[in-house]
Amino acid sequence: EAQVTQNPRYLITVTGKKLTVTCSQNMNHEYMSWYRQDPGLGLRQIYYSMNVEVTDKGDVPEGYKVSRKEKRNFPLILESPSPNQTSLYFCASSLGTGNSPLHFGNGTRLTVT
Amino acid sequence: EDKVVQSPLSLVVHEGDTVTLNCSYEVTNFRSLLWYKQEKKAPTFLFMLTSSGIEKKSGRLSSILDKKELFSILNITATQTGDSAVYLCAGPLSNTGNQFYFGTGTSLTVIP
Repeated sequence: EAQVTQNPRYLITVTGKKLTVTCSQNMNHEYMSWYRQDPGLGLRQIYYSMNVEVTDKGDVPEGYKVSRKEKRNFPLILESPSPNQTSLYFCASSLGTGNSPLHFGNGTRLTVT
Repeated sequence: EDKVVQSPLSLVVHEGDTVTLNCSYEVTNFRSLLWYKQEKKAPTFLFMLTSSGIEKKSGRLSSILDKKELFSILNITATQTGDSAVYLCAGPLSNTGNQFYFGTGTSLTVIP
């Protein structure tokens, strides 16, 4: 089944404790992206990647890192999480080019205390 | 600066009603505009409208694109309680087409 898989689904952590949210897709998509979703603000892009070893900042990259060492994986890293990073995170992928839809993972609800 | 603006923010209708959701957007190099449905989970893809396809229909849902006015609408006829969701409009609106911008969505509630 074609899908984008994120883990974990829920995560509660404390300020400053490094964490990684994994994302994997099995559709051989070139493009992958991370979003955070907050009430009243909608989905905002954190980082995106057009291909292996190619990553770019989205609208809200501060406090996040990503890597794209393999085509299928695009982990999101929070080196020193803070409470303002409490949010619902989505990974998404597409063929790229701007003319193909994004396919979303099921989301990761992160709480930083 | 808002690139995708949706209206209304929320809508409550009765089953059987027809609703129209609006999306306006700014773009310098239009590629596509997408509609998604989000229940209490990940957004699911509904339609993609491009220069070569400005009207799409699937069952009770349909969408049109006005490239000149930079506007799209999503119509849902004979609404059902299962249509209750947040509807998102999005597009790769940057010059490179690599950044997808989403509107804040329209929350639709269909009451029996």
